[in-house]
Amino acid sequence: GQQVQQSPSSLVLQEGENAELQCNFSSTATQLQWFYQSPGGSLVSLLSNPSGTKHTGRLTSTTVTKERRSSLHISSSQTTDSGTYLCAIASGGSNYKLTFGKGTLLTVTP
Amino acid sequence: ETAVFQTPNYHVTQVGNEVSFNCKQTLGHDTMYWYKQDSKKLLKIMFSYNNKQLIVNETVPRRFSPQSSDKAHLNLRIKSVEPEDSAVYLCASSYVDQDTQYFGPGTRLLVL
Repeated sequence: GQQVQQSPSSLVLQEGENAELQCNFSSTATQLQWFYQSPGGSLVSLLSNPSGTKHTGRLTSTTVTKERRSSLHISSSQTTDSGTYLCAIASGGSNYKLTFGKGTLLTVTP
Repeated sequence: ETAVFQTPNYHVTQVGNEVSFNCKQTLGHDTMYWYKQDSKKLLKIMFSYNNKQLIVNETVPRRFSPQSSDKAHLNLRIKSVEPEDSAVYLCASSYVDQDTQYFGPGTRLLVL
């Protein structure tokens, strides 16, 4: 089945620094989503990006489909960005489901 | 803005009891999902429903059964809970297959 690897597993930054998170997956993805999970546990969709580059606010995601990888760039990090960033892949078909990576725990210090 | 609602937020029970979790979405989506997030924070799909029809049923124990009365509601019942069922259960919805999924706040289950 689909496997999703995220790196790094954790990252500590000072406020204002940029973050680069990586997601690699084992088979072709028809859907790719980046999620943010707050320390309290709620899950929020950040970007849906199965191919190419997408921007929203301080976030930029670049997915290279044929290389089975995606990145999430966070510019000018803020303490409120602290939390876990999850990459999730769907391989399509009638048996649609998202397979999640284990996440990157980001800590932004003042 | 919360549009996927889950109850209860937290539930503590003993081994062998039956529990039921509720999920409702007000987004007009036609597909709903249940995920389990274990103690290592790994999220795994359990079930998905499209217009009240089961479309994904991952390998979960038979004591887990989803229940859908209409496309806005997807409940999860667990008969005779076991300690390994302790986890956070997350409900999600989307418009159609392969569209962006929106998650509820989760129900944390602790089995003693």
